[in-house]
Amino acid sequence: EPEVTQTPSHQVTQMGQEVILRCVPISNHLYFYWYRQILGQKVEFLVSFYNNEISEKSEIFDDQFSVERPDGSNFTLKIRSTKLEDSAMYFCASNSPMNTEAFFGQGTRLTVV
Amino acid sequence: AQKITQTQPGMFVQEKEAVTLDCTYDTSDQSYGLFWYKQPSSGEMIFLIYQGSYDEQNATEGRYSLNFQKARKSANLVISASQLGDSAMYFCAMSSNAGGTSYGKLTFGQGTILTVHP
Repeated sequence: EPEVTQTPSHQVTQMGQEVILRCVPISNHLYFYWYRQILGQKVEFLVSFYNNEISEKSEIFDDQFSVERPDGSNFTLKIRSTKLEDSAMYFCASNSPMNTEAFFGQGTRLTVV
Repeated sequence: AQKITQTQPGMFVQEKEAVTLDCTYDTSDQSYGLFWYKQPSSGEMIFLIYQGSYDEQNATEGRYSLNFQKARKSANLVISASQLGDSAMYFCAMSSNAGGTSYGKLTFGQGTILTVHP
């Protein structure tokens, strides 16, 4: 069964460093998303991406964040100058017009120290 | 703006019993979707069930059913014949079909931790 794949599963970074979280969505999907879940809290929408551009973003998704689809398969989230409060689980998701549900990756746990 | 409320931080159920997890929502959209996801301790998000706002029948997927009461704006999840493996965090979520971004942009509730006792 096709699945969304995220790498790495766990990333530890120093405060102020840049990190890139990687995702490989399901191959025939057209819509891509990043979500964030701070430990013990609810899942929050960050950004949606369609047709090679951001279609919607939340208030959380400020200039510190950027997304890119550098080739036909990868979808990345870049976080510049990381802060302690960026520590969270980051989920990538994708879906197609044929699906009602979004398929989530297994998540990347980001720890900023 | 959309809002999802899950008022039960934690629920306990005996194995093989049924349990209902509550979810209420608020939206001004006419067309929307309601979802339930399961998050086990390993952290991944597992899709369980979907209900469209225009669906007249309650959705069912195996042991999962969604009790959709549109006038009350509630979308409770019913798990029948609970199993030990059902112990997890459960999230209710909703989407809007407005804006053309498909159903992937979800607004989540705070979650309910379900513990199944043997």
